[in-house]
Amino acid sequence: EVQLVESGGGLVKPGGSLRLSCAASEFTFSNYFMNWVRQAPGKGLEWISSISSSSSYIEYADSVKGRFTISRDNAKNSLYLQMNSLRVEDTAVYYCARGGLDIDYWGQGTLVTVSS
Amino acid sequence: QTVVTQEPSLTVSPGGTVTLTCASSTGAVTSGYYPNWFQQKPGQVPRALIYSTSNKHSWTPARFSGSLLGGKAALTLSGVQPEDEAEYYCLLYYGGARVFGGGTKLTVL
Repeated sequence: EVQLVESGGGLVKPGGSLRLSCAASEFTFSNYFMNWVRQAPGKGLEWISSISSSSSYIEYADSVKGRFTISRDNAKNSLYLQMNSLRVEDTAVYYCARGGLDIDYWGQGTLVTVSS
Repeated sequence: QTVVTQEPSLTVSPGGTVTLTCASSTGAVTSGYYPNWFQQKPGQVPRALIYSTSNKHSWTPARFSGSLLGGKAALTLSGVQPEDEAEYYCLLYYGGARVFGGGTKLTVL
């Protein structure tokens, strides 16, 4: 069974940084596009970034462009999200999700809280 | 800024049929937007239902179907079950960026 396990969430002050990780298993990670999607408390889903299998193609939502950086290490079967200049409105559960044009599997999510 | 619009809420009776839609502020939704649909129940992780307009995942129940309808992406549930009560989200592809709709809360009553 495909598994995606996020980690690295926590409480951080506005302006701070955090690095999220997503450990993938039970599939050939290097063959797949990957995504980060977030959900603020009581709100809907928001796509924030995608990365191609070889990291040659990367996209960001305008809301995080210039502050967040997506990356991956295919040798370690891992996806990352470096989040800088965090704002209160970045508070959310962050999910990693597999797929390019067809997102199928999701991780359980990791909570990021930005508060002073 | 691109906005994807869904009905905020819909109510359907058990055994009935309901269609949820997904519109784009840029114009008609076509297959080139590769519409995806997801179901999310309270406290749970989103679950993928449909990709590329009408393709089902191996776990998607047969009563769920996707289509294009009147310039929108559509998700139809036929023979609705009580367990289908959930929030449903569409996702559209804009040649790079992806945008989720605001979600439709489906009540089965």
